[in-house]
Amino acid sequence: EAQVTQNPRYLITVTGKKLTVTCSQNMNHEYMSWYRQDPGLGLRQIYYSMNVEVTDKGDVPEGYKVSRKEKRNFPLILESPSPNQTSLYFCASSDNYGYTFGSGTRLTVV
Amino acid sequence: DQQVKQNSPSLSVQEGRISILNCDYTNSMFDYFLWYKKYPAEGPTFLISISSIKDKNEDGRFTVFLNKSAKHLSLHIVPSQPGDSAVYFCAASDESSASKIIFGSGTRLSIRP
Repeated sequence: EAQVTQNPRYLITVTGKKLTVTCSQNMNHEYMSWYRQDPGLGLRQIYYSMNVEVTDKGDVPEGYKVSRKEKRNFPLILESPSPNQTSLYFCASSDNYGYTFGSGTRLTVV
Repeated sequence: DQQVKQNSPSLSVQEGRISILNCDYTNSMFDYFLWYKKYPAEGPTFLISISSIKDKNEDGRFTVFLNKSAKHLSLHIVPSQPGDSAVYFCAASDESSASKIIFGSGTRLSIRP
């Protein structure tokens, strides 16, 4: 089944403790992206990648890092999480005709 | 500054009637537009799209209209069904940066019996 898989689905962590949210796609898509969803703000793009080793900042990149060492994986790294990064995160991949999204990771930073 | 705007946070429509969701954009470079549907606890799913070379695209009960001069698009759902109750996101991109898709804030559609 074609899908985008992100883990974990839920995560509660403390301020400053580094964490990684993993994302993997099995559709051989070139494009991948991370979004966060917040009430009243919709989906805002954090980072995106056009291919292996090619990444760029989206609209809200501060406090996040990404890497694209393999085509199928695009992890999101929070080096020092803060409470304002509490949000619902979505990974997505695309073949240039619109993104396919994962099921989301709800992150709470206390 | 939001480049894609959905000014109606919510919409309630009677089952069987037409639902019309609206979206405005400010960036004239956008040339590809998409609508996504999102249920609670799930990721957004692609619904329908339209290229700027067209002004209308239909897929079953769903039709998207694009008015480039007004920088406005709309999604029509007819007839509306209970399963259409969800949050709908409008999104846009330009061909030179297809991986950078900008989303609106969403409209929550409720279909009442």
